[in-house]
Amino acid sequence: GQNIDQPTEMTATEGAIVQINCTYQTSGFNGLFWYQQHAGEAPTFLSYNVLDGLEEKGRFSSFLSRSKGYSYLLLKELQMKDSASYLCAAMDSNYQLIWGAGTKLIIKP
Amino acid sequence: GAVVSQHPSWVICKSGTSVKIECRSLDFQATTMFWYRQFPKQSLMLMATSNEGSKATYEQGVEKDKFLINHASLTLSTLTVTSAHPEDSSFYICSAGRQEYEQYFGPGTRLTVT
Repeated sequence: GQNIDQPTEMTATEGAIVQINCTYQTSGFNGLFWYQQHAGEAPTFLSYNVLDGLEEKGRFSSFLSRSKGYSYLLLKELQMKDSASYLCAAMDSNYQLIWGAGTKLIIKP
Repeated sequence: GAVVSQHPSWVICKSGTSVKIECRSLDFQATTMFWYRQFPKQSLMLMATSNEGSKATYEQGVEKDKFLINHASLTLSTLTVTSAHPEDSSFYICSAGRQEYEQYFGPGTRLTVT
């Protein structure tokens, strides 16, 4: 079956770095997405990886290893506004997104 | 670019009534639109995929007669919750696809059925 695993909740300190891991199993693979979702709002797109390696975009970076079925989202210089849920989603061979349950990130001053 | 709107942003209705939610891609043509629902503290659950001019493809367990989807144009899709009940109360989110790997989300519609 198709499955996405990511931690339920993480806590980090303002100004620090946090890495949110995601493992996936899908029927075929057409890329790995990370979304940020604040409470009561729709998700917003953060990153898309389809090739192995690290993609850096400002304070956020996303890594993919296709052979390991593994990705992580790295957030640097954490700010209080980064407190949100981070959703990992893998796109299968039918271009359908398989969603993880999300990781709630709590930032403490 | 790539803005998706939803209307209404929130709605309260009585049990047994029907509610229509609109999803529009404002600055691009969306060949495919997706409808999701999300319960509190849970991830998104895909309900259906709709392509302009054809019938929507519903996910297993989603009642097509209860959740009517119409994708009349390349910029508009509607979801109608028919004979709504309290258990239909949820956050409904649409997304519009411009290319196969691009999905842009609307802001969501919070439905409360009393």
